[in-house]
Amino acid sequence: DAGVIQSPRHEVTEMGQEVTLRCKPISGHDYLFWYRQTMMRGLELLIYFNNNVPIDDSGMPEDRFSAKMPNASFSTLKIQPSEPRDSAVYFCASSPRQRAYSNQPQHFGDGTRLSIL
Amino acid sequence: TQLLEQSPQFLSIQEGENLTVYCNSSSVFSSLQWYRQEPGEGPVLLVTVVTGGEVKKLKRLTFQFGDARKDSSLHITAAQPGDTGLYLCAGGGTSYGKLTFGQGTILTVHP
Repeated sequence: DAGVIQSPRHEVTEMGQEVTLRCKPISGHDYLFWYRQTMMRGLELLIYFNNNVPIDDSGMPEDRFSAKMPNASFSTLKIQPSEPRDSAVYFCASSPRQRAYSNQPQHFGDGTRLSIL
Repeated sequence: TQLLEQSPQFLSIQEGENLTVYCNSSSVFSSLQWYRQEPGEGPVLLVTVVTGGEVKKLKRLTFQFGDARKDSSLHITAAQPGDTGLYLCAGGGTSYGKLTFGQGTILTVHP
């Protein structure tokens, strides 16, 4: 089975440009998560979806960040305009339907390493 | 807000040594997961513990969930260079699907 697929793997762009990160979750998974990872702050949850509907976006740092999930097999995370402090590795993860109070494993993609100059 | 504190942050040891990584919180979690992440890749699940006091073994790795479900530990026996990586604990709470991750422990095992 294919795992979570993220693109691009690396992105280098100049400050002020729009950045779009893409994610294809594992087929049949109900949940999709976007994380950001840095040395200083570790792995931070930005937003997550259940059946394509955003459930919690409290981790989205600013209005410059937006995420969409138009269908069960595709999601995007957009940064506009980008800033140097957005440089990080961004991960997408998906998981199956949750059992009551027992979390299913999250399956992570290999991430997008984003550098804003 | 639920927080998970991992310690130590960095661990550098020689092959064959034993080590323990701790994951502590003041909050109760419904389940606790441990992930391992290698450079250039995403985290991969090692184990899930759900019952207070539960102990699970995965070859040389032993995972324990505290009786009160607020803390967990990962013990590695006779560490090998292949164990090198970032170890993350993650707690499941009352929000379906959502995990709270610790800051991680970077383990380096020297041959």
